[in-house]
Amino acid sequence: GAGVSQSPRYKVAKRGQDVALRCDPISGHVSLFWYQQALGQGPEFLTYFQNEAQLDKSGLPSDRFFAERPEGSVSTLKIQRTQQEDSAVYLCASSSSGASEYYNEQFFGPGTRLTVL
Amino acid sequence: AQRVTQPEKLLSVFKGAPVELKCNYSYSGSPELFWYVQYSRQRLQLLLRHISRESIKGFTADLNKGETSFHLKKPFAQEEDSAMYYCALSGHDYKLSFGAGTTVTVRA
Repeated sequence: GAGVSQSPRYKVAKRGQDVALRCDPISGHVSLFWYQQALGQGPEFLTYFQNEAQLDKSGLPSDRFFAERPEGSVSTLKIQRTQQEDSAVYLCASSSSGASEYYNEQFFGPGTRLTVL
Repeated sequence: AQRVTQPEKLLSVFKGAPVELKCNYSYSGSPELFWYVQYSRQRLQLLLRHISRESIKGFTADLNKGETSFHLKKPFAQEEDSAMYYCALSGHDYKLSFGAGTTVTVRA
């Protein structure tokens, strides 16, 4: 079956614009994660959903970042009033298990490369 | 706090030579350790995890709790091993903490 997909693959925004990044997880996967990967760095955790519930948003860098997963499948990461420091690759991952279960493999999407000018 | 350190940004080896990627971690407990790999133009994917103790594509990694290390090794590197490698840690919750990554180039 299809893996995790993300759109758009590339996004260029002017400073101050709002952007929305979409993630389609593997069908039936309970858990969904967002990571931010700055140039030359490893991915850093942003937020976690179990079905439609956002159980952890401790990694979101500011209140300009907002994520949702209203029906427990597709998720959207929204960044308001983008700044240059928001330029990064945003990765989405999904997993078949929930947070209380034994760790299960996270499957990653191709990422969205955001460039803020 | 949990942290993963990969001291080498770049690693270049000749085909057929051994390769070792270093990974050290800090975590107050018993973490799960992983190696993820990203080949050119492909997505990040799991290479191996310490708990399964298996060898994938000839790679092995041993968790050394005394040295808090999880180095990745392969006795004979192949050109197709050229990729970016990330060491990652999970503290038995849902989060993965990644190192900064090591770019491996295998030369013919």
